Amino acid sequence: SQTIHQWPATLVQPVGSPLSLECTVEGTSNPNLYWYRQAAGRGLQLLFYSVGIGQISSEVPQNLSASRPQDRQFILSSKKLLLSDSGFYLCAWREAFTLHFGNGTRLTVT
Amino acid sequence: AQSVTQPDIHITVSEGASLELRCNYSYGATPYLFWYVQSPGQGLQLLLKYFSGDTLVQGIKGFEAEFKRSQSSFNLRKPSVHWSDAAEYFCAVGDSILTGGGNKLTFGTGTQLKVEL
Repeated sequence: SQTIHQWPATLVQPVGSPLSLECTVEGTSNPNLYWYRQAAGRGLQLLFYSVGIGQISSEVPQNLSASRPQDRQFILSSKKLLLSDSGFYLCAWREAFTLHFGNGTRLTVT
Repeated sequence: AQSVTQPDIHITVSEGASLELRCNYSYGATPYLFWYVQSPGQGLQLLLKYFSGDTLVQGIKGFEAEFKRSQSSFNLRKPSVHWSDAAEYFCAVGDSILTGGGNKLTFGTGTQLKVEL
């Protein structure tokens, strides 16, 4: 069966520091992968998606970037964090028309 | 562009009472519709989905939802709520055609459910 892993589960970082969040999927090949951010009271905002290795589409201009160095690995990064980057980050993979989510990373920028 | 509206930000019900969470969508064709549930600090778990066929769909944990095309709605219901149902619920709409563009889901802003004992 397919599983999705995200780490770390929680992260506290100072403003201006770099960020790297990792997501991996097991049990499937060439999945479509997604990064969503959830801010308090604002629902889920799609940040990036990837349909294959090295293929990244950005949905909103921002301080973040994404990369897909391997088939089942999706990384969310920032060179310098802003306070506004705080939130709950969720990775997901697509099975047919359905998204399956990881357990998320709680990022607090101080 | 597709969109989802969940008009109720917070809902409180007593344990054992019935529940209905509202969801209205905007989509140019026949939509694919989803309900997810999120417990505090956790990811989203799929409750149920509608692609086609019977407009009343059954999901996990005793939940059901009804697709009403004329009202552009996909409301979630449960006949008797349990204290463990307290969570945040998200409605989502997705593309009904597989595309090369990633087939994204658009989510509503969520409804926080509180269950009183």
